[in-house]
Amino acid sequence: DGGITQSPKYLFRKEGQNVTLSCEQNLNHDAMYWYRQDPGQGLRLIYYSQIVNDFQKGDIAEGYSVSREKKESFPLTVTSAQKNPTAFYLCASSQGMAKNIQYFGAGTRLSVL
Amino acid sequence: SQQGEEDPQALSIQEGENATMNCSYKTSINNLQWYRQNSGRGLVHLILIRSNEREKHSGRLRVTLDTSKKSSSLLITASRAADTASYFCATDSGANSKLTFGKGITLSVRP
Repeated sequence: DGGITQSPKYLFRKEGQNVTLSCEQNLNHDAMYWYRQDPGQGLRLIYYSQIVNDFQKGDIAEGYSVSREKKESFPLTVTSAQKNPTAFYLCASSQGMAKNIQYFGAGTRLSVL
Repeated sequence: SQQGEEDPQALSIQEGENATMNCSYKTSINNLQWYRQNSGRGLVHLILIRSNEREKHSGRLRVTLDTSKKSSSLLITASRAADTASYFCATDSGANSKLTFGKGITLSVRP
């Protein structure tokens, strides 16, 4: 079953806590992305990675961190510095720059307790 | 920063009618893509049109691109209740393989 798997589907964060969202792909894609989706805001890019051990900040990176130690994995940590973390988080991957069609996971909904 | 702006924000039609959605953007692009999102789910790629193409078809989907007006339209013919979803345009300006998404159009198809 090829694709992108995000876990967990729902996540709750307590005040001052860091939480990590998982994203795994078995499509052998080089590039991976994290987006945040708020109602009426569309998708906003948090971080992206074009290759293993390298990543770049997107438009709203503050309060988030990522790592890319393996090609298939791109976890996102929502740190306590992110004061408004409640949102729907989407992970995507693509072959890279050629056509850049992105394939998305099913998302993780993060809420604050 | 959001480059694509879809219009209208919401569209409600009867099953069997055609649905037309528009997207405008600001800077030069390599290609423009349309994606669909069912409620609470991830996005699914529908169609890609390159900057040197004017029209493209895929099943009941027809996409046009007018680079002089920096706009694109997505037409869904003979709509079905299952087409109910949000639709997003995304532009690829060729910079670091990033896509820039619009805010989306909510389409409701009444049975």
